[in-house]
Amino acid sequence: NAGVTQTPKFRILKIGQSMTLQCTQDMNHNYMYWYRQDPGMGLKLIYYSVGAGITDKGEVPNGYNVSRSTTEDFPLRLELAAPSQTSVYFCASSYSKGLYEQYFGPGTRLTVT
Amino acid sequence: AQSVTQLGSHVSVSEGALVLLRCNYSSSVPPYLFWYVQYPNQGLQLLLKYTTGATLVKGINGFEAEFKKSETSFHLTKPSAHMSDAAEYFCAVSDRGTSYDKVIFGPGTSLSVIP
Repeated sequence: NAGVTQTPKFRILKIGQSMTLQCTQDMNHNYMYWYRQDPGMGLKLIYYSVGAGITDKGEVPNGYNVSRSTTEDFPLRLELAAPSQTSVYFCASSYSKGLYEQYFGPGTRLTVT
Repeated sequence: AQSVTQLGSHVSVSEGALVLLRCNYSSSVPPYLFWYVQYPNQGLQLLLKYTTGATLVKGINGFEAEFKKSETSFHLTKPSAHMSDAAEYFCAVSDRGTSYDKVIFGPGTSLSVIP
């Protein structure tokens, strides 16, 4: 099993550009998450999904959008990129909530200049 | 709202010394508790978790953590540090306030191991 895969690994965007970060999991997990990680700040939840067709906002959703049309895929869309979105983005999945651990992808390092 | 604190953003230990990384959570109701490790340029991976039952939890790579309800703590320990333990460590709780839909992560502790 590949687990959770993310593409691309690195990306440089100019201010105002848009892009989609891809996330795919092959574990048939219901729950999927997008986090951003900034130095010394831990992980901040952007959006999450409890199943195909269901998404909800996390702690820092502004400037991002998501969709969940299949169980496997959970893309994150950045519209009108801003320097404040420079960060490392992690996708994660879990079988369910509560006591179930999350499985993380390798991350996407995004720089907006 | 639920919160997680980790005392010490950077901890340095000598190889072979005890590792102690501190974690406290804010809920009066015991949540589910996790420790994750992040090696450089990688995603997070689970070290161990507490759900119910025995309060001393053993994880991978010789790590263990003890849930202390009276202290709202879940500190991570390892008796003897190895160079390969150098990484970032995150404590996390499953947030009862959102019916466990979300996990709250602490800010992380960077562990350095000195040869």
